[in-house]
Amino acid sequence: GESVGLHLPTLSVQEGDNSIINCAYSNSASDYFIWYKQESGKGPQFIIDIRSNMDKRQGQRVTVLLNKTVKHLSLQIAATQPGDSAVYFCADRSPTGAGSYQLTFGKGTKLSVIP
Amino acid sequence: ETGVTQTPRHLVMGMTNKKSLKCEQHLGHNAMYWYKQSAKKPLELMFVYNFKEQTENNSVPSRFSPECPNSSHLFLHLHTLQPEDSALYLCASSQVMIPSSHEQFFGPGTRLTVL
Repeated sequence: GESVGLHLPTLSVQEGDNSIINCAYSNSASDYFIWYKQESGKGPQFIIDIRSNMDKRQGQRVTVLLNKTVKHLSLQIAATQPGDSAVYFCADRSPTGAGSYQLTFGKGTKLSVIP
Repeated sequence: ETGVTQTPRHLVMGMTNKKSLKCEQHLGHNAMYWYKQSAKKPLELMFVYNFKEQTENNSVPSRFSPECPNSSHLFLHLHTLQPEDSALYLCASSQVMIPSSHEQFFGPGTRLTVL
């Protein structure tokens, strides 16, 4: 996953609204994608994943959409709550060609929820 | 709690010091990882251990020296570091190496500052 630009993208959302966080990846061979949430002072925490044979997967209040044509991934959070404030980043898994895989991480988007 | 603990949580060291970071996982996992997280940069994989054997070293300078005495413990020995090594160092574990599912659990990290 990648994020363009030198600065960490930020998204400010009113409490109760829906949030959409985007991620681009570059490797067309990537077959598995993960979204992580990282709160201040903590390590990344798994939110939801999706395999490349799917284009949508829903969890509790979260939905991940995958568009392989444009190599784009999005995370939708419904009814955003103050506890959702964190940095969100994606990761994609791709084969290394030696029978193994690698995970490539994006820089992340900082979500701030306005009470 | 994710089942992965790291100590210390914060570390300040001079460039001539020698220190060690410790990671312990209580999940019965077989693979452990060290990552470096710098401000506004993606997670960088440093080392991978699978069943106590180092399987990956992503061109990490020799001033970082990992040690994995058993599947539950991982150390990162530091010596003669540079100020640019200041970052959050994250440990993670998974049941299998480069997981096929979301089972990569991260510790809270050690915030390292090199003066």
